[in-house]
Amino acid sequence: DGGITQSPKYLFRKEGQNVTLSCEQNLNHDAMYWYRQDPGQGLRLIYYSQIVNDFQKGDIAEGYSVSREKKESFPLTVTSAQKNPTAFYLCASSAGTGEYEQYFGPGTRLTVT
Amino acid sequence: QQPVQSPQAVILREGEDAVINCSSSKALYSVHWYRQKHGEAPVFLMILLKGGEQKGHDKISASFNEKKQQSSLYLTASQLSYSGTYFCGTEANTGNQFYFGTGTSLTVIP
Repeated sequence: DGGITQSPKYLFRKEGQNVTLSCEQNLNHDAMYWYRQDPGQGLRLIYYSQIVNDFQKGDIAEGYSVSREKKESFPLTVTSAQKNPTAFYLCASSAGTGEYEQYFGPGTRLTVT
Repeated sequence: QQPVQSPQAVILREGEDAVINCSSSKALYSVHWYRQKHGEAPVFLMILLKGGEQKGHDKISASFNEKKQQSSLYLTASQLSYSGTYFCGTEANTGNQFYFGTGTSLTVIP
């Protein structure tokens, strides 16, 4: 059964701690994305990767880091440098860019206090 | 570079029609449409590619006007299940970065 998994669904951290959000896909997709969504807002792109060992910053990359060591995995680290990390984080993958639909994981809701 | 959607919100009675618009300041290669229910991940509806086209399935269809750099999503004879937030997503001709629009909240009431 192909799809994207994100874990955990809910995550709580203290301010000043780094935290890593997991994203795994078994769709054999080349492209993967991380988005941030704040309440009542749209999806803003944090990072994307079109191929293993390569990734590009989106509009709001500051305070975040990613790696793409395997095709299936694209973990996102929220660092202590991110000023307002509390948000809903969505990972997506697609077979390529523009002309391919994006498949989304269920999301991780991160709360930092 | 984020596309702008209009209206921001709309309330419909079951059976009524709605149109959601998505406008970009860039020449577009593709436009995607997704629907998101509260607390869930967005779900893909359709993609329209450069060249100008229309697509549709069931009572939801969309058009892409390349010259005007805009797309419209048409929902006819709305059902309660159509409620959610609709997002367009665009990729420009000039690059690979993908942007989601500002979103349109659609509520269908009995």
